[in-house]
Amino acid sequence: GAVVSQHPSWVICKSGTSVKIECRSLDFQATTMFWYRQFPKQSLMLMATSNEGSKATYEQGVEKDKFLINHASLTLSTLTVTSAHPEDSSFYICSARIPAGLGQYFGPGTRLTVT
Amino acid sequence: AQSVTQLGSHVSVSEGALVLLRCNYSSSVPPYLFWYVQYPNQGLQLLLKYTSAATLVKGINGFEAEFKKSETSFHLTKPSAHMSDAAEYFCAVSETAAGAQKLVFGQGTRLTINP
Repeated sequence: GAVVSQHPSWVICKSGTSVKIECRSLDFQATTMFWYRQFPKQSLMLMATSNEGSKATYEQGVEKDKFLINHASLTLSTLTVTSAHPEDSSFYICSARIPAGLGQYFGPGTRLTVT
Repeated sequence: AQSVTQLGSHVSVSEGALVLLRCNYSSSVPPYLFWYVQYPNQGLQLLLKYTSAATLVKGINGFEAEFKKSETSFHLTKPSAHMSDAAEYFCAVSETAAGAQKLVFGQGTRLTINP
């Protein structure tokens, strides 16, 4: 079946540094990918919709200059957390829209810890 | 605006007992509904989805859900719980079959299976 991968699976960084998370669709082309944030024991919150070849669409309250999204190819979207702070520590999950179908395939998530 | 409410943040059942996880939705148009399962530190796996074809939807791992328009519900059931069913379950709604297909998630229900 279709698989979405994320890299890295976990990362620890110092406050003030930037971190890039990759999301790849492994056996299909994903024109639309999504980035979610999940705090412990909470639901997923959609951060932005990433469209190949165009600017991402951010949800209300999400800082586009802090969470940079690039979707340069049909199989790769990246989320860069710039100038990370401890409050950015969270579980970040990406997904890809199922081609010609309903729903999304989800990646395994990336746990970010900012010290 | 669409929304999803999952009644009960935590459900505990005995192994072999019926599993019932409740989900109610709010949507201004006929919705598309999904149930996802999340194991610790992992992404989401699709259990099943309702796409208006049949009101009773069968999914993986013995789960099924019934769409009831009059009750705006999409409850998830499994006749006999297994220890491996212990996980977090999310109900989600999407209002579009085309375009971005953004998902709105419920708060999640943690299912615990007692031996």
